[in-house]
Amino acid sequence: GAGVSQSPSNKVTEKGKDVELRCDPISGHTALYWYRQRLGQGLEFLIYFQGNSAPDKSGLPSDRFSAERTGESVSTLTIQRTQQEDSAVYLCASSLVFREAFFGQGTRLTVV
Amino acid sequence: GESVGLHLPTLSVQEGDNSIINCAYSNSASDYFIWYKQESGKGPQFIIDIRSNMDKRQGQRVTVLLNKTVKHLSLQIAATQPGDSAVYFCAEKGSGTYKYIFGTGTRLKVLA
Repeated sequence: GAGVSQSPSNKVTEKGKDVELRCDPISGHTALYWYRQRLGQGLEFLIYFQGNSAPDKSGLPSDRFSAERTGESVSTLTIQRTQQEDSAVYLCASSLVFREAFFGQGTRLTVV
Repeated sequence: GESVGLHLPTLSVQEGDNSIINCAYSNSASDYFIWYKQESGKGPQFIIDIRSNMDKRQGQRVTVLLNKTVKHLSLQIAATQPGDSAVYFCAEKGSGTYKYIFGTGTRLKVLA
């Protein structure tokens, strides 16, 4: 596609349930990033993938959070046993090596 | 996870005036910087970038200035328009890494 695509755009889940968020990066982009943005706040780094290198998971807030990427394509961010503090917009971005990152529209997650 | 920007300062500018948005970055080894614009309900949108071997770069109506001595980045918007109203974030990338760390966002309000 022409841009980074994220799905779903909105997700409401019950506390304790698992959720999967999907990101389709721009074709050819080797780097992929996940960020979290709480309401009215800045972007909090979660994880990035670069080619076949080991991902940088240093931003994942707890072991309930995990992410996978298949080659240089789709990535999924999984949150297990969701908590209310997980409510936020989850943003995915992709880029060429050492170039600007392009963001998707985000998935708004609400845990009730 | 890493998080910056717990407080969003606001800059109010009269339509037609020039705007200057400032950002203090944290890592003296950062070699690449980007300004993003984020409108309500959307993902961040790339505006302009600059590498550490430059101190100024101009785009259409926008100019980015980099002062490595004091680790300061600024975004200048000429002839500010209502469509410029948004939150603006700076992002830095450390040398040899792929991770972007976002600075404190600034909300720009354009007054008619």
